[in-house]
Amino acid sequence: EAGVVQSPRYKIIEKKQPVAFWCNPISGHNTLYWYLQNLGQGPELLIRYENEEAVDDSQLPKDRFSAERLKGVDSTLKIQPAELGDSAVYLCASSFISTGEQFFGPGTRLTVL
Amino acid sequence: SQQGEEDPQALSIQEGENATMNCSYKTSINNLQWYRQNSGRGLVHLILIRSNEREKHSGRLRVTLDTSKKSSSLLITASRAADTASYFCASGYNNNDMRFGAGTRLTVKP
Repeated sequence: EAGVVQSPRYKIIEKKQPVAFWCNPISGHNTLYWYLQNLGQGPELLIRYENEEAVDDSQLPKDRFSAERLKGVDSTLKIQPAELGDSAVYLCASSFISTGEQFFGPGTRLTVL
Repeated sequence: SQQGEEDPQALSIQEGENATMNCSYKTSINNLQWYRQNSGRGLVHLILIRSNEREKHSGRLRVTLDTSKKSSSLLITASRAADTASYFCASGYNNNDMRFGAGTRLTVKP
């Protein structure tokens, strides 16, 4: 069974440029999460989807971040414009139910110069 | 924001020794989970303990939960060099919210 797939694995951009991350969750998982992880810290939730509905986006900086999950499967996370402080690893995870076991992708390491 | 705290932040032991990591949380939970993360990789689920459970085992892992103290501990027995990783607890709240702690970085020296 394929795990959670994320792309790209690495991205280097200049500040003020846009960037997008893609996630394909495990088949059948209704819940999808986007996390931000800074070096030496735990994952911090950005947004949680139940099917195609964003049920928790309270930590998403909506002035520059946006996300979508069309058809309740794949998801994209976008930053526009990127700032230096956005440099981090962006993790996608999926699960059958909220608060259940989560399966994580390898993450996208973003560097903003 | 992260709503759990873990200690120690870093732990270094010799192979064969036991490693104990602790996690505290702030409000009532539905369950608590432990994850491992190897450097540069995604997190891997280790074990889930429900709020009505006090102890759970999985191989060399033992997790305890004390809801009166709002704390949990993860014990790794007979550690191996391959156990070197960061370990995170995640608190599952009744509103379906789940929050991760800052993690414990474990180093097992051969």
